Amino acid sequence: GESVGLHLPTLSVQEGDNSIINCAYSNSASDYFIWYKQESGKGPQFIIDIRSNMDKRQGQRVTVLLNKTVKHLSLQIAATQPGDSAVYFCAENQGAGTALIFGKGTTLSVSS
Amino acid sequence: KAGVTQTPRYLIKTRGQQVTLSCSPISGHRSVSWYQQTPGQGLQFLFEYFSETQRNKGNFPGRFSGRQFSNSRSEMNVSTLELGDSALYLCASSRTTEARRNSPLHFGNGTRLTVT
Repeated sequence: GESVGLHLPTLSVQEGDNSIINCAYSNSASDYFIWYKQESGKGPQFIIDIRSNMDKRQGQRVTVLLNKTVKHLSLQIAATQPGDSAVYFCAENQGAGTALIFGKGTTLSVSS
Repeated sequence: KAGVTQTPRYLIKTRGQQVTLSCSPISGHRSVSWYQQTPGQGLQFLFEYFSETQRNKGNFPGRFSGRQFSNSRSEMNVSTLELGDSALYLCASSRTTEARRNSPLHFGNGTRLTVT
């Protein structure tokens, strides 16, 4: 069954707003998490990753937060732009090499 | 640096046929994974190859198979195609090695397979 899920299938924001996309995971043994962005007609694009020994990691305009106590992962996008419109997936590695388990995805729509 | 390249981009096959999809990983990446993406099931892991050996396999029937060559390029094959095999097939490569197993996957743009 599905072990990684997202709280909301769609999220609509205004350009310039901050976006937060949430993800819940069920396997406490998962030790590696990744966020991907998928645009129409393309494969998933790596955004940022985090290992279970961290609770926060920042990239360019993006921050991933990991709360192992409640098994929750979030992706924050600062100053969201129309080019950020896409489907966002969280994925977890349950320790089986690179066999990532993906969530269903959240569609982010950014209006200008 | 070139990304992951998948060929062909689109395929139309009929039930009962077989199909072979190709993937060239990012230069220097030795791990290649395959995923199936459908609207209903999302992204599902098929298998992973490392140094020409299948290292991990997902929950798919034996009609789905793959292989990896010495140059890390990979192919996957689906035999006796069914309508339900219509999907986007994604290949991904990573720097994962024996010592470092957690490394991000970098995906190609996929092969869109339609079975009629």
